[in-house]
Amino acid sequence: GQQVMQIPQYQHVQEGEDFTTYCNSSTTLSNIQWYKQRPGGHPVFLIQLVKSGEVKKQKRLTFQFGEAKKNSSLHITATQTTDVGTYFCAGIYNQGGKLIFGQGTELSVKP
Amino acid sequence: GAVVSQHPSWVICKSGTSVKIECRSLDFQATTMFWYRQFPKQSLMLMATSNEGSKATYEQGVEKDKFLINHASLTLSTLTVTSAHPEDSSFYICSASSVGLAGVMPTYNEQFFGPGTRLTVL
Repeated sequence: GQQVMQIPQYQHVQEGEDFTTYCNSSTTLSNIQWYKQRPGGHPVFLIQLVKSGEVKKQKRLTFQFGEAKKNSSLHITATQTTDVGTYFCAGIYNQGGKLIFGQGTELSVKP
Repeated sequence: GAVVSQHPSWVICKSGTSVKIECRSLDFQATTMFWYRQFPKQSLMLMATSNEGSKATYEQGVEKDKFLINHASLTLSTLTVTSAHPEDSSFYICSASSVGLAGVMPTYNEQFFGPGTRLTVL
């Protein structure tokens, strides 16, 4: 069935280190979205990727969508304590389809 | 971004009672609202998709008679957990989306999430 796998489940880094989370689907996605959920909070939309091979940047965050539109990654350069939270990818398989969330990657940053 | 409110933010109830949760889009008309539940340290699991003026579409394994969804207007959707039991205790989150068009096909834009409702059933 339609499933989005996300790894790692947890990542502990020292402040200043880089962080990457990966999402993978066995079938082609229409597009993929990324969300961040702070502890005790609700998911907040970060970005949507639509095109094959697309790369988007938001300050220290870099989002990539694979050429085959089956995988995606979020990379944070030089993490800060404000980056703490759980990062979810969410894939859409067809136009008008629902979001399928990955399991999320919980990021903790040690100052 | 758009604002979605949810009420109540938390509720504690006795087993067997019903609980209603409201989800409102405050500054835009949401053609579609989604209801999710999230257990601690887990991902969001979609329960149902709610379109204004029509019946909700429930995900497999979600009992529609237990989780009643009403989407009476473009700014309000409600989820009623009927005859709640302790296993229904969870974090319930709604989201709202407007639908754009990619060619002739509808495509969901970003989803705006409400702050969630923490339900505890004793």
